[in-house]
Amino acid sequence: DSGVTQTPKHLITATGQRVTLRCSPRSGDLSVYWYQQSLDQGLQFLIQYYNGEERAKGNILERFSAQQFPDLHSELNLSSLELGDSALYFCASSVGWDWRRGEQFFGPGTRLTVL
Amino acid sequence: AQSVTQPDIHITVSEGASLELRCNYSYGATPYLFWYVQSPGQGLQLLLKYFSGDTLVQGIKGFEAEFKRSQSSFNLRKPSVHWSDAAEYFCAVGASMKTSYDKVIFGPGTSLSVIP
Repeated sequence: DSGVTQTPKHLITATGQRVTLRCSPRSGDLSVYWYQQSLDQGLQFLIQYYNGEERAKGNILERFSAQQFPDLHSELNLSSLELGDSALYFCASSVGWDWRRGEQFFGPGTRLTVL
Repeated sequence: AQSVTQPDIHITVSEGASLELRCNYSYGATPYLFWYVQSPGQGLQLLLKYFSGDTLVQGIKGFEAEFKRSQSSFNLRKPSVHWSDAAEYFCAVGASMKTSYDKVIFGPGTSLSVIP
């Protein structure tokens, strides 16, 4: 158990809908990272937040957004969902903002299925 | 631009046999290199990383990796595989001169099966 929790574990929804994925980082970790893992795209970094502020942005679509709240939990919002958004979404956390210095701890993921 | 290749999509080894998973990268300077393992139904776990110094890096679970600049490779090795090592393994490359995480690229992964 990494100490990172993600809810829900599974999510099934329809095209055009909007969903919210939630992540609680390890106690004491200030950075949260979101990833998407799909069969065709592999593992892709989406976005990083550090202490409530956006720190780095990867291959995140405009239909997707995220935020980190004062209690440091983070939410990933996916809207106007398409079939291709079906994937496993991981959250990871680390103590600092510099990815080179610390280890990221990954949550178990949320599996999103868009029908 | 950075890129990472893992030439082997799937590898099967017998328990107790040695293992080598290949990783090749394309990057202009010395990169930051990582190996992660993903067990079924789990998130990724860091096995080891290389930033600088000794090119042979020791990691957790008995794994090691060697950075070879001349070959642009960072192959993962284990002398004796255990059945619990069956998992997906990902190599990742980060741009050494950039502090922004968006420069980290993951390889496509190698699936390891272990025969009892």
